[in-house]
Amino acid sequence: NAGVTQTPKFRVLKTGQSMTLLCAQDMNHEYMYWYRQDPGMGLRLIHYSVGEGTTAKGEVPDGYNVSRLKKQNFLLGLESAAPSQTSVYFCASSYPSGRASYNEQFFGPGTRLTVL
Amino acid sequence: AQTVTQSQPEMSVQEAETVTLSCTYDTSESDYYLFWYKQPPSRQMILVIRQEAYKQQNATENRFSVNFQKAAKSFSLKISDSQLGDAAMYFCAYLGSYGKLTFGQGTILTVHP
Repeated sequence: NAGVTQTPKFRVLKTGQSMTLLCAQDMNHEYMYWYRQDPGMGLRLIHYSVGEGTTAKGEVPDGYNVSRLKKQNFLLGLESAAPSQTSVYFCASSYPSGRASYNEQFFGPGTRLTVL
Repeated sequence: AQTVTQSQPEMSVQEAETVTLSCTYDTSESDYYLFWYKQPPSRQMILVIRQEAYKQQNATENRFSVNFQKAAKSFSLKISDSQLGDAAMYFCAYLGSYGKLTFGQGTILTVHP
């Protein structure tokens, strides 16, 4: 049981390049999330998904796209990377929220992305 | 929109002593969850403790406890008998609708031997 995994762990891009970050979870969770972490700002939600085939915008969605074609995978895409997207990216997953549910979000190890 | 504020960017404590990290939040919801996460230098986000808003009793996990004041919208974390391994960034987080977490800015905790 690997939990939440992220690929790659590190990446350096040039401005204008594109890339996709992969998040995978083996806990059969419905909800998945992408966050970015910047110094002094905590983690901010980029996009999230409440189930296979669904996606929604979070707090800072501009410049990113996501897809949830399979329940266990959640992809984050940068079509044209900018230096402002230099950050550490975290993926997380959880069961649906609700009083009867266990609401902990399980986080992946993070991806450090640098855009030059 | 919900907001979470951690007003202490840095805190320090002597090993074996007690330290309290502060967190306030703003929400119009009545049913929600609050969390404290620990992030060591490895970057891994580790859940420390969870509080359900409808429960009046403060949550406790071994050396970690919270002081949850719902009316004041305050959620502080107390670490007793601090250990060197407690040194990390600590984040307070609010969980509301659709399972979306809103994080505070974080508090860096240093533990002195």
